[in-house]
Amino acid sequence: NAGVTQTPKFQVLKTGQSMTLQCAQDMNHEYMSWYRQDPGMGLRLIHYSVGAGITDQGEVPNGYNVSRSTTEDFPLRLLSAAPSQTSVYFCASKTRGAGNTIYFGEGSWLTVV
Amino acid sequence: AQKITQTQPGMFVQEKEAVTLDCTYDTSDQSYGLFWYKQPSSGEMIFLIYQGSYDEQNATEGRYSLNFQKARKSANLVISASQLGDSAMYFCASEGYSSASKIIFGSGTRLSIRP
Repeated sequence: NAGVTQTPKFQVLKTGQSMTLQCAQDMNHEYMSWYRQDPGMGLRLIHYSVGAGITDQGEVPNGYNVSRSTTEDFPLRLLSAAPSQTSVYFCASKTRGAGNTIYFGEGSWLTVV
Repeated sequence: AQKITQTQPGMFVQEKEAVTLDCTYDTSDQSYGLFWYKQPSSGEMIFLIYQGSYDEQNATEGRYSLNFQKARKSANLVISASQLGDSAMYFCASEGYSSASKIIFGSGTRLSIRP
């Protein structure tokens, strides 16, 4: 079982560069989301999607774009990286509705210099 | 609006004691779910327990139980007989079951178990 797969696991970017964090799940989950976790902090919701073709902003969406063209994939794009975007990024997915576990990727460590 | 508040940034507990981690929530959804996750120093997110808003019984999973008080909007995690391996960050989360549901996490509590 692949579960939720995030790539890359580690990335160093220069300020102003753009990049895409990939997230894929093979569980046919409707719900997918991206969180960032700063050192010693909680998970803050960046963007989320409740199905293919549907995306919405979370708590901290500025500087990030997402799209959901398929059920399986939910890439996160950093348009012009800033040092404030240095963080650990987690992708998560879930079947919609009551109960059910939230499945997380292993995290992507991003450093912007 | 949807919000999770965890007011205990850090806690120290003696091994084998019980510990309660506080969580209060705010949601406009009539139907919702509450989760607790554990994050050890290795970084992965480990599911602990789930409580649905219409569940009449408090959820239990082994040494974990969720003290759900709907009127107070609280969903505290109780760990009985704490173990050294329980040292980790603990996060409370809520999911609203409306058409635009999303999952929001609290800021977490760092639990340290003393031998």
